[in-house]
Amino acid sequence: GNSVTQMEGPVTLSEEAFLTINCTYTATGYPSLFWYVQYPGEGLQLLLKATKADDKGSNKGFEATYRKETTSFHLEKGSVQVSDSAVYFCALSGRGGGNKLTFGTGTQLKVEL
Amino acid sequence: EAGVAQSPRYKIIEKRQSVAFWCNPISGHATLYWYQQILGQGPKLLIQFQNNGVVDDSQLPKDRFSAERLKGVDSTLKIQPAKLEDSAVYLCASSLLTSPGANVLTFGAGSRLTVL
Repeated sequence: GNSVTQMEGPVTLSEEAFLTINCTYTATGYPSLFWYVQYPGEGLQLLLKATKADDKGSNKGFEATYRKETTSFHLEKGSVQVSDSAVYFCALSGRGGGNKLTFGTGTQLKVEL
Repeated sequence: EAGVAQSPRYKIIEKRQSVAFWCNPISGHATLYWYQQILGQGPKLLIQFQNNGVVDDSQLPKDRFSAERLKGVDSTLKIQPAKLEDSAVYLCASSLLTSPGANVLTFGAGSRLTVL
């Protein structure tokens, strides 16, 4: 079945540091890939997505590239801010399963001044 | 547009009691999902509705969990009787289309259940 593996957290960074959160997946066919973010006390929000190989999703300075050859979708940001502190979830949507999302376990990011 | 509404936000019950959660999706969204998010884990799909029909309930513990979506709009998720391991945040989400792939789910803020 479909699965998503994320690096464990928490990840603690200083403001303006470079961020990478690793995500790899297992799926049949060509899934769509997503990053969702969950700020404290709030629901999950879509951060970015990519629907085919080599697509790059981007939003709010975050980027992730759909790498079919390595089955990866790593999240990156060049300079994090305190306001980026949240839990980040990698997810996929398989072609044969409607639009349901399969999530990774989440990675907590803490950004300090 | 208004988001996905859920209530209650918090609920504390004792084991073997019952509880119900309500969800109002975004207007016009045909597909509705209930996810269970246990602390430290990613959300897990419990049930997916397309209008008022069930698309996928393969991971719903049907001996204690039930869900309905009458009239294809609002939905309720019920747990009876609750167990300690049901302590989690119950997330409702909705989406506009059912074509696979790029469709985006919009999530509510969730209902946090604590079973004592």
